Amino acid sequence: EVQLVESGGGLIQPGGSLRLSCAASGLTVNGNSMNWVRQAPGKGLEWVSIIYSGGSTYYADSVKGRFTISRDNSKNTLHLQMNSLRAEDTAVYYCTRDGDGVPCEYWGQGTLVTVSS
Amino acid sequence: DIQMTQSPSTLSASVGDRVTISCRASQSINIELAWYQQKPGKAPKVLIYKASALESGVPSRFSGSGSGTEFTLTISSLQPDDFATYYCQQHYGHPRTFGQGSKVEIK
Repeated sequence: EVQLVESGGGLIQPGGSLRLSCAASGLTVNGNSMNWVRQAPGKGLEWVSIIYSGGSTYYADSVKGRFTISRDNSKNTLHLQMNSLRAEDTAVYYCTRDGDGVPCEYWGQGTLVTVSS
Repeated sequence: DIQMTQSPSTLSASVGDRVTISCRASQSINIELAWYQQKPGKAPKVLIYKASALESGVPSRFSGSGSGTEFTLTISSLQPDDFATYYCQQHYGHPRTFGQGSKVEIK
């Protein structure tokens, strides 16, 4: 059974940093591309970042230069390092794993990040 | 960046109705489009990919069509479990933008 379990969310002050993790089981984090997608309270989905199996990474303009996606193949875990956090980064963050031709085929349950003083 | 525009934003329908949701891309994305369903408090799930391919386990009442810039998600006969919010997403280029969502409500 495929499982993606996010962790690391919480309350953080503006300007602070947070590192999200996504532990995978039933699949490998380097077997296909993996994404972070976020959803602000009461709002729609926003794609945040992707890391391809070959290691290439891409980011939404809203987080470029502040967020870094990475993976630890030995621990089968995806990470999102978030720096210089802003109030508008408040959201539930989902990790997703692409399938063969299927974007975001698998989703975690999400972890809530709240940026507030 | 490629902009994705969905319509309508909200749709009121009854069980058994045929429902159509549209998604327009700001430039051609070939068939690199997926549709997702999201229920309150839950993660989204993919319904359709490559514009018209049905994801495994998704009921056949869901179908997708289109290419280039115009796409459609159709539910042939709305069921109680289908009341949810639907999103399109292009996976042609980066960033992989989502539409703003279309909420299907009970009439």
